Amino acid sequence: AQRVTQPEKLLSVFKGAPVELKCNYSYSGSPELFWYVQYSRQRLQLLLRHISRESIKGFTADLNKGETSFHLKKPFAQEEDSAMYYCALRSSGYSTLTFGKGTMLLVSP
Amino acid sequence: ETGVTQSPTHLIKTRGQQVTLRCSSQSGHNTVSWYQQALGQGPQFIFQYYREEENGRGNFPPRFSGLQFPNYSSELNVNALELDDSALYLCASSLADSSFYGYTFGSGTRLTVV
Repeated sequence: AQRVTQPEKLLSVFKGAPVELKCNYSYSGSPELFWYVQYSRQRLQLLLRHISRESIKGFTADLNKGETSFHLKKPFAQEEDSAMYYCALRSSGYSTLTFGKGTMLLVSP
Repeated sequence: ETGVTQSPTHLIKTRGQQVTLRCSSQSGHNTVSWYQQALGQGPQFIFQYYREEENGRGNFPPRFSGLQFPNYSSELNVNALELDDSALYLCASSLADSSFYGYTFGSGTRLTVV
């Protein structure tokens, strides 16, 4: 069975500090990994997906199949990055997602 | 109208009752999925509809059922409500093709069962 683990419920950093939100997964096939973000009073929205290898709002994430990880990183956190972040895995051949429990990122001034 | 819209936004029901939640998919999307998000948890997959047929289901009992209509709008029905059904119910639409670009989510319906 596939699983997504986000070990931190809350990550609190100061503005300008580096950020790393951890995500580990278990899946026997070839996974697709996503990061979704939910800002206060807004709906869940796609932040980035690993196959795009893109940087959105300064965030990047690299799929490490050896460590089964897909950590989200940003070199310099901004206050507007404060939000709930969810890592999600898509099984190959399906369009359903398995989500982690989420990590709340708080960026203080 | 673009985006995914859900109704109602909030709902309070009594244990044992039945409830219907509604979702209007994003224009051009032909697949709709429903997720349950309990407090402090990530969204959990309930089921998915494509071309008006269920084509995937998570670990939810049969009292959770759904419909998808020709205009791609959708309903989630829950019978014999239990207290543990209290949660945020999310509708998400997508385009079923070989490249999955991720979902567009609605704002959700907050269901409280008392």
